[in-house]
Amino acid sequence: NAGVMQNPRHLVRRRGQEARLRCSPMKGHSHVYWYRQLPEEGLKFMVYLQKENIIDESGMPKERFSAEFPKEGPSILRIQQVVRGDSAAYFCASSPRSQGPPEQYFGPGTRLTVT
Amino acid sequence: AQSVTQLGSHVSVSEGALVLLRCNYSSSVPPYLFWYVQYPNQGLQLLLKYTSAATLVKGINGFEAEFKKSETSFHLTKPSAHMSDAAEYFCAVRTGANSKLTFGKGITLSVRP
Repeated sequence: NAGVMQNPRHLVRRRGQEARLRCSPMKGHSHVYWYRQLPEEGLKFMVYLQKENIIDESGMPKERFSAEFPKEGPSILRIQQVVRGDSAAYFCASSPRSQGPPEQYFGPGTRLTVT
Repeated sequence: AQSVTQLGSHVSVSEGALVLLRCNYSSSVPPYLFWYVQYPNQGLQLLLKYTSAATLVKGINGFEAEFKKSETSFHLTKPSAHMSDAAEYFCAVRTGANSKLTFGKGITLSVRP
């Protein structure tokens, strides 16, 4: 069973460009979470999605950031008009649909650098 | 609201010594608690979890943690440190079966030969 996949692993963007980060959850998992890790800080929750639904976006910045998890295909975290402060590692996690163990399984992350 | 406090940012131990990484949490409902490990430039790997069963939880790589409700703590221990344990360790809390994880700031563990 393949783990959570994220791509690209590294992404360099100039200020003002758009960044698209992709996440494929583990097989059979329908819950996806995005977290951001800034230097010297822990991970901060951004958004929680199920297929075609945003369940909790309380951690998303109000502007420039959006997320989706379509019926088919990976979850996408999109950052428009990137700024230097967006440089961070972005992690995706998934969990299964059932009421079983509540842990989340993390992908390897996408490290975004804004120049 | 839920929160996690990991005091200090760096712990250094000698190889073979006891590892103790502290975690205190705040939660208005019975929590799920987790310890994750992160190696450089990698994602997070689950070490162990507390889900209201046994209060002493054993995880991978010889780590264990004890849930103490009276102290709102979930400290991580390992009797004998190994060089390969050098990494960053995060404590996290979650309330409800399908909700966000709230992480502490993490502790970097160094192991001296």
